[in-house]
Amino acid sequence: DQQVKQNSPSLSVQEGRISILNCDYTNSMFDYFLWYKKYPAEGPTFLISISSIKDKNEDGRFTVFLNKSAKHLSLHIVPSQPGDSAVYFCAASVNNDMRFGAGTRLTVKP
Amino acid sequence: DVKVTQSSRYLVKRTGEKVFLECVQDMDHENMFWYRQDPGLGLRLIYFSYDVKMKEKGDIPEGYSVSREKKERFSLILESASTNQTSMYLCASSRGVIFNEKLFFGSGTQLSVL
Repeated sequence: DQQVKQNSPSLSVQEGRISILNCDYTNSMFDYFLWYKKYPAEGPTFLISISSIKDKNEDGRFTVFLNKSAKHLSLHIVPSQPGDSAVYFCAASVNNDMRFGAGTRLTVKP
Repeated sequence: DVKVTQSSRYLVKRTGEKVFLECVQDMDHENMFWYRQDPGLGLRLIYFSYDVKMKEKGDIPEGYSVSREKKERFSLILESASTNQTSMYLCASSRGVIFNEKLFFGSGTQLSVL
């Protein structure tokens, strides 16, 4: 059973526009959420995280929003740049259990 | 910067072979992990380790074993490789004893079992 779901396998946006990547989870016990970015031929790298006691965390062009009642989080990238083209994984964690989504491939067109 | 190094980028093995995937991290991290990445399934945890000689099963440990004899090195062993173990294998490490710490990943090993 996949406790973390990214229902959009791919997303294409124009450079300068906003990219919104979505993630849903089923386990209400998750208390920490992370986003990782993965370029081809490289391992995933940490991007941004949020604790369940917050509903928003911002780091430069990247903002993560958490809606606990809906068990939903999203990653906003504003403005999107061609270098942001990558696969984005969301992850949810509680204690010794970190689960990953299937990933969303973002393509930012010049 | 933390560096997590996986010994092979690509590996081709035959069914029934014993396969060793090696991973080394250089930042004195306590925690180390092995994941496999398959299309549509994301990253699934195979095994993890909190300390030398300690190991814990993840979601899909069947057909795999691990070894952690030194803090910096975590090995994944496929006792008898099968075609359904063809996958991208990712090693990761993190500091501390809290699992929520962000992970640092290696570049991955693409294993093909023929």
